[in-house]
Amino acid sequence: RKEVEQDPGPFNVPEGATVAFNCTYSNSASQSFFWYRQDCRKEPKLLMSVYSSGNEDGRFTAQLNRASQYISLLIRDSKLSDSATYLCVVKGPFRGAQKLVFGQGTRLTINP
Amino acid sequence: SQTIHQWPATLVQPVGSPLSLECTVEGTSNPNLYWYRQAAGRGLQLLFYSVGIGQISSEVPQNLSASRPQDRQFILSSKKLLLSDSGFYLCAWRGIGGPTDTQYFGPGTRLTVL
Repeated sequence: RKEVEQDPGPFNVPEGATVAFNCTYSNSASQSFFWYRQDCRKEPKLLMSVYSSGNEDGRFTAQLNRASQYISLLIRDSKLSDSATYLCVVKGPFRGAQKLVFGQGTRLTINP
Repeated sequence: SQTIHQWPATLVQPVGSPLSLECTVEGTSNPNLYWYRQAAGRGLQLLFYSVGIGQISSEVPQNLSASRPQDRQFILSSKKLLLSDSGFYLCAWRGIGGPTDTQYFGPGTRLTVL
């Protein structure tokens, strides 16, 4: 079983739609969780951290369910510029340097 | 603010040739540094990480090596490239502390081995 699993998609949705991505992780001792965004042929960039109580950043909402080892990302009122691959990322537990485990990503295309 | 540089941006090399990719970080001291590879259509694979000068930890056995000759410099090398070494190589540094204690990536080097 992969440490971090995501539905690879692709997801094709019309502009203005709401889209949700899911991610599961296998290590129950994982400490921190993030969503990164990666545009085509570019480096991944941090989109948002995921907190236990859930958190929102504009049109983006992240949720964490530790009991089910499940993370989600909701994008409301999607824009053309939201087209990208979204990476689910899990940290820890490790000694020494921080290590992150990346999901393979979910590809999203927003259509006009 | 912190910035991370990588060069070259793009590289095409023949099989069996050597490789040297460079990563430098500005605006921070004694950062944790990381090398990742992303093969076409695949996820990020951690190759090496370093917690300080001369300290290298390898995650995956392969024909690549890494070195950290200076505090903010991280180098990825190979003596003889294989076709399977093609990919997008990303250097990252760790931003320590607070909710954003995670890793931040450089622009990457796209390597094609022919």
